[in-house]
Amino acid sequence: QQQVKQSPQSLIVQKGGIPIINCAYENTAFDYFPWYQQFPGKGPALLIAIRPDVSEKKEGRFTISFNKSAKQFSLHIMDSQPGDSATYFCAASKGETSGSRLTFGEGTQLTVNP
Amino acid sequence: ETGVTQTPRHLVMGMTNKKSLKCEQHLGHNAMYWYKQSAKKPLELMFVYNFKEQTENNSVPSRFSPECPNSSHLFLHLHTLQPEDSALYLCASSQVVASGELFFGEGSRLTVL
Repeated sequence: QQQVKQSPQSLIVQKGGIPIINCAYENTAFDYFPWYQQFPGKGPALLIAIRPDVSEKKEGRFTISFNKSAKQFSLHIMDSQPGDSATYFCAASKGETSGSRLTFGEGTQLTVNP
Repeated sequence: ETGVTQTPRHLVMGMTNKKSLKCEQHLGHNAMYWYKQSAKKPLELMFVYNFKEQTENNSVPSRFSPECPNSSHLFLHLHTLQPEDSALYLCASSQVVASGELFFGEGSRLTVL
């Protein structure tokens, strides 16, 4: 079964902290790993994505770390801000023609306290 | 308007009602999707349309009936729903089906009494 397992379910950090959200997958054919951010009352929006040919990708304060052998990837948020409070979803898909056949994790509700 | 627009934002219906959800994308994309979002569950893909042709039905019960008259509009017709169908229904679009970047609308919150 194609699954993506995400943890933790919820996370609370202080402003400036570095929350880390982890995801694990089973299907070794997955080759595209995006993270989506969802604010209350809004739809998810693509935040950052990685392909397995690199072990890390950074965009601003957001970094994806990818461990192909362990079949795990994680999202790190540097210098977190209250405005980062949202639900974060990891996802995975396989194949050049199946990029949108995404399998999503269950989501992590992040709260960044001032 | 820009992006992906969904209406209505909230809908309450009885189990015997018939209603429809509407989605419109202003991004010039060719692929559109319906997802179901329930609390503490992964987003569930329901239907995929590519150039207004349905390319995927993810074993969705027939009480959900999609319609895609053109690449910019997508409907989800609802009839004889069950209380467990209560959820947030998200519409999304992408440039092409192969694109990994989905653009989501804000969703329609459905409550079935």
